[in-house]
Amino acid sequence: KQEVTQIPAALSVPEGENLVLNCSFTDSAIYNLQWFRQDPGKGLTSLLLIQSSQREQTSGRLNASLDKSSGRSTLYIAASQPGDSATYLCAVRPRETSGSRLTFGEGTQLTVNP
Amino acid sequence: DARVTQTPRDKVTEMGQEVTMRCQPILGHNTVFWYRQTMKQGLELLAYFRNRAPLDDSGMPKDRFSAEMPDATLATLKIQPSEPRDSAVYFCASGLVLDGRAGTDTQYFGPGTRLTVL
Repeated sequence: KQEVTQIPAALSVPEGENLVLNCSFTDSAIYNLQWFRQDPGKGLTSLLLIQSSQREQTSGRLNASLDKSSGRSTLYIAASQPGDSATYLCAVRPRETSGSRLTFGEGTQLTVNP
Repeated sequence: DARVTQTPRDKVTEMGQEVTMRCQPILGHNTVFWYRQTMKQGLELLAYFRNRAPLDDSGMPKDRFSAEMPDATLATLKIQPSEPRDSAVYFCASGLVLDGRAGTDTQYFGPGTRLTVL
């Protein structure tokens, strides 16, 4: 059974700092990995999707990397801003023919202080 | 811009009552997902539809939960009878799988229905 772990569970940083969020998964037979952002009381917003054949994806100040063999992904946020404060979740999708089932980590709660 | 919509946004009900949650996926999307989020369990997949057919509902308690897609613009999740342990936020998400390539769809989430069963 796939298990996804995110470290740290919570992170508080001053504005402007570069930071890294970590995600690890136990079964490397994945189709892709997705990073989401969730604001309090809101739904999830997809940030980046990395296919298993890719090593990284970038969107603005965000960069996500994937090392499938070691079962790890990182989300790098450059020059953090208070508006980045949210919970960040990673989710992996198994390599199955019918597979769209995502297994989520428990998330990292990020606070960026002005 | 296109969004997944869910109704109601909040629902408070008493144990034993029937609860129906509705979701309108993004127009043109062919996959729909129902998730439940609690502090204790995090996000769990309850059911997954592609082209309105249920492909995976293994995460759903079959005795009280049912999920349907009456048409391509509406997905429903019903709980009957509801219990206090069903209290959670229920999310609907939709995506587009191209050319039958499972797993290629980015999932777009709705705002959720916060259910409280007293």
